[in-house]
Amino acid sequence: LAKTTQPISMDSYEGQEVNITCSHNNIATNDYITWYQQFPSQGPRFIIQGYKTKVTNEVASLFIPADRKSSTLSLPRVSLSDTAVYYCLVGDGSSNTGKLIFGQGTTLQVKP
Amino acid sequence: DTAVSQTPKYLVTQMGNDKSIKCEQNLGHDTMYWYKQDSKKFLKIMFSYNNKELIINETVPNRFSPKSPDKAHLNLHINSLELGDSAVYFCASSQMLGRSGGANEQFFGPGTRLTVL
Repeated sequence: LAKTTQPISMDSYEGQEVNITCSHNNIATNDYITWYQQFPSQGPRFIIQGYKTKVTNEVASLFIPADRKSSTLSLPRVSLSDTAVYYCLVGDGSSNTGKLIFGQGTTLQVKP
Repeated sequence: DTAVSQTPKYLVTQMGNDKSIKCEQNLGHDTMYWYKQDSKKFLKIMFSYNNKELIINETVPNRFSPKSPDKAHLNLHINSLELGDSAVYFCASSQMLGRSGGANEQFFGPGTRLTVL
């Protein structure tokens, strides 16, 4: 199973762009990269998913280099409400179980 | 019109008791999951059911027994509660099992905070 490594915490200020990088050196060929967001006292929420290059939606962008050994979640112009834990996950390419492996996540603190 | 709901939201009980947490999803999904999030915020999968059949059992003690009466419900029963069972338990669902290595989008419930005294 691919293991992910991401910074434990990050600080930012309102209006700034935040980039959170995740390493996944053992990613399998068929694995997708997915990011979840978790606010305090809530369940995780899907943000974005990609396989290669760049994916963008109304919430974030996901940059994946050609070797796919890392990915970067980009949050444009963050606000206080973006304060949350962000999890980087890769799919379990070894079996078709839907199993997600959550790491420790990155706690993003947005300051005014 | 909550997508994934859990009851109760909070559960405080004594060691040795038996308790259940209920989960329901109205998304028409085939697969449901139970996760445990400990005090250090690590989120770990416990069980996965697809169409009422157990798919994943992550070496969880036998005191934990999931029950899926239909594919919209996945309940978690815990016998002989221990202090270490204190955590937040999340139910989740997804439309299908992980597509060919892909990480399927999972929808999480609000969580049940279990405190064992």
